[in-house]
Amino acid sequence: AQSVSQHNHHVILSEAASLELGCNYSYGGTVNLFWYVQYPGQHLQLLLKYFSGDPLVKGIKGFEAEFIKSKFSFNLRKPSVQWSDTAEYFCAVNRGGGATNKLIFGTGTLLAVQP
Amino acid sequence: GAGVSQSPRYKVAKRGQDVALRCDPISGHVSLFWYQQALGQGPEFLTYFQNEAQLDKSGLPSDRFFAERPEGSVSTLKIQRTQQEDSAVYLCASSREPQSVETQYFGPGTRLLVL
Repeated sequence: AQSVSQHNHHVILSEAASLELGCNYSYGGTVNLFWYVQYPGQHLQLLLKYFSGDPLVKGIKGFEAEFIKSKFSFNLRKPSVQWSDTAEYFCAVNRGGGATNKLIFGTGTLLAVQP
Repeated sequence: GAGVSQSPRYKVAKRGQDVALRCDPISGHVSLFWYQQALGQGPEFLTYFQNEAQLDKSGLPSDRFFAERPEGSVSTLKIQRTQQEDSAVYLCASSREPQSVETQYFGPGTRLLVL
């Protein structure tokens, strides 16, 4: 069965620090990869996604992620975080061309950015 | 534009009570998903509709859970004889087309507490 692992459950950073959140998945076939974010009191929203082409994907708010197929990884990065990036971040995967397109989520990483 | 809406936002039920949770997807979206999110976990897939057809219900935890989308728009998730382990946030998501690369747009969720 597919699974998604997020290595960091809680991350605390100071403003302007660089961010990298790890995500690994287990599935040998074609996958689509997503990062969702949930700001305090808000609903889940898409940060970025990868389904083909350039493995370095740029999303909203200065976030980017790199798909490394050989490592089954899709790590999220931001060179300089802001206080407003405080949120919970979820990595998710679904099968490319799958019948139901259901997303398999990781357990999430709670990021706190200190001003 | 209007996003995915869910009602009620909060529901407290006594053990054994039946509950019904409603989802209004984005207008015209073909695909609709239900997920369950337990405290400290990522969302877990429950069921998927393409228009009015329920194509995947593999994630429903028991036969006490039932979902429908009779006219291909609004969906209802019903839980019969609620148990304490049903306490969770129930998320609805919709996407414009059934392809796996499509972004799923999430609603705010219904937080269910079973006493």
